[in-house]
Amino acid sequence: DIQMTQSPSSLSASVGDRVTITCQASQDISNYLNWYQQKPGKAPKLLIYDASNLETGVPSRFSGSGSGTDFTFTISSLQPEDIATYYCQQYDNLPLAFGPGTKVDIK
Amino acid sequence: QITLKESGPTLVKPTQTLTLTCTFSGFSLSTSGVGVGWIRQPPGKALEWLALIYWDDDKRYSPSLKSRLTITKDTSKNQVVLTMTNMDPVDTATYYCALSNGRFDPWGQGTLVTVSS
Repeated sequence: DIQMTQSPSSLSASVGDRVTITCQASQDISNYLNWYQQKPGKAPKLLIYDASNLETGVPSRFSGSGSGTDFTFTISSLQPEDIATYYCQQYDNLPLAFGPGTKVDIK
Repeated sequence: QITLKESGPTLVKPTQTLTLTCTFSGFSLSTSGVGVGWIRQPPGKALEWLALIYWDDDKRYSPSLKSRLTITKDTSKNQVVLTMTNMDPVDTATYYCALSNGRFDPWGQGTLVTVSS
């Protein structure tokens, strides 16, 4: 099974800051990597698919990059409404797997 | 517009079988490439994939839960049903269904299931 790790597990940043989250797969998953945002009490929402493609309607301050085993998710200018937990998810192989999540707060 | 909604009991007793229904609209589960998945999230914890069913009735399960899970579809009713046997308090979680083609999008609102005697 492919294991997904994320770092950091949580972060606190100021409005306007650039925020970067990393996700690592235990083996090569090419670009079969998605990123989700989950706000408190809500269902997850797809932000980025296939490692770097922005889902329709998602603000352009969100971006993703990487391939193979190492991936990065970036918020170029953190906004108050971005307070959430962010998860990566691989779909290269079954079983599908999510990362443990990164909780983002405003400082 | 694609929507999905989970329904089922909010409370089940240990050892009982949980049956959850995902009712969807805006797509057909008879369309090639389409799938519906189930994902759960214990309170305060991460997401865990449970099962997937595809348009051709191919079914896939999380290996760790495979012996307890069954996923079925009723294309005419636009529903997907997940059953989980031998429920335990550790299965307390919010259960989500989602449209799947590799990525999960969109998701239902989720339903909290508590396992307690």
